[in-house]
Amino acid sequence: NAGVTQTPKFQVLKTGQSMTLQCAQDMNHNSMYWYRQDPGMGLRLIYYSASEGTTDKGEVPNGYNVSRLNKREFSLRLESAAPSQTSVYFCASRLAFSSGGNLYEQYFGPGTRLTVT
Amino acid sequence: KNQVEQSPQSLIILEGKNCTLQCNYTVSPFSNLRWYKQDTGRGPVSLTIMTFSENTKSNGRYTATLDADTKQSSLHITASQLSDSASYICVVAHNNNDMRFGAGTRLTVKP
Repeated sequence: NAGVTQTPKFQVLKTGQSMTLQCAQDMNHNSMYWYRQDPGMGLRLIYYSASEGTTDKGEVPNGYNVSRLNKREFSLRLESAAPSQTSVYFCASRLAFSSGGNLYEQYFGPGTRLTVT
Repeated sequence: KNQVEQSPQSLIILEGKNCTLQCNYTVSPFSNLRWYKQDTGRGPVSLTIMTFSENTKSNGRYTATLDADTKQSSLHITASQLSDSASYICVVAHNNNDMRFGAGTRLTVKP
């Protein structure tokens, strides 16, 4: 049981390049999330998927797109990377999203450290 | 604006000592408050989750307290160990599942 896995661990891009960050979970969770973590700031939600087949914007969605490929996998795409997107990206999952599941544990992956030059 | 403020930003203590980390929030309406531990280069790991009706919750040497009236929480670490060196993040959830993360307190435990 690997939990939440992310690839790659590290990536360096040039401005304007595109890439996709991959995330998978093996806990049969319904909800998945993408966050970014910047120095001196709390994690901020980029996009989330409350359940398979749905995606919604979070607090900072500009410059990103997501795909919930199936129940296990949730990818984050940068179409044209910018230096402001240099950050550490975390994927997370939770059993349920609804208010009834509000107390469910949220499990995080190990992160992808992205640098855009 | 809904905010979660943590103090201190960083803290250095000697192994075996106790410490208390603070979290003040303005998130409303409030659903629950979580404390996470984040080791360097790793993702956050949950320590405790408390609803508004809970005052205290423990997880081993970690004890979280919550005062929903004053919108304050604290995380107390007893008999610190070197492995406690990490960032500790306070997270407050809205009723609509929106979670707001504090910037964290960086704890260093020295031998």
